Amino acid sequence: AQTVTQSQPEMSVQEAETVTLSCTYDTSESNYYLFWYKQPPSRQMILVIRQEAYKQQNATENRFSVNFQKAAKSFSLKISDSQLGDTAMYFCASSHTGANSKLTFGKGITLSVRP
Amino acid sequence: DVKVTQSSRYLVKRTGEKVFLECVQDMDHENMFWYRQDPGLGLRLIYFSYDVKMKEKGDIPEGYSVSREKKERFSLILESASTNQTSMYLCASSPAGRGIAEQYFGPGTRLTVT
Repeated sequence: AQTVTQSQPEMSVQEAETVTLSCTYDTSESNYYLFWYKQPPSRQMILVIRQEAYKQQNATENRFSVNFQKAAKSFSLKISDSQLGDTAMYFCASSHTGANSKLTFGKGITLSVRP
Repeated sequence: DVKVTQSSRYLVKRTGEKVFLECVQDMDHENMFWYRQDPGLGLRLIYFSYDVKMKEKGDIPEGYSVSREKKERFSLILESASTNQTSMYLCASSPAGRGIAEQYFGPGTRLTVT
């Protein structure tokens, strides 16, 4: 079984600054995938970034990057140059690598970007 | 663009009523999922389906059932709604065979049971 833990319920950051959202996970699988999803207020959940556990290089998508520490089972999300549109709930999730895998989500963190 | 639609954004039902939540995706995805989202609990998987007429229980299936008669449509059924089923319900879909594939979510249905 997989578990995902997001211990910070909410964070706040000033516009244009950098913020890091924490996530730890546990799994018995040797290979797996990790994700960060974003849920803006009253809008649909969308994928922000994904990481394959066998890849050592940290994933990057524009202003979003991850710090993947496999030994520590840590998967944090860094948002650079925060924008007002980054205000949202962020969920960390994991899945195994088998066909038709399902996601295990953390409890989420509410991020507020202040103007 | 992948589109996942849900039949209602907001729904109010009475205790004991039978409730149907519908989800439709237009990308020919094999996998479909139903979650409920509650503050402080994140998303919890209720049921999922890997193919037409197939269903698998998720982490919290009690009080729910599902139906998948067509590939594009996945229905969540509350046989006898109770107040503790007041929640946000999210549907998602994904293509089969690739674990790294992202799930595409619908806008959600906020269900209130009174």
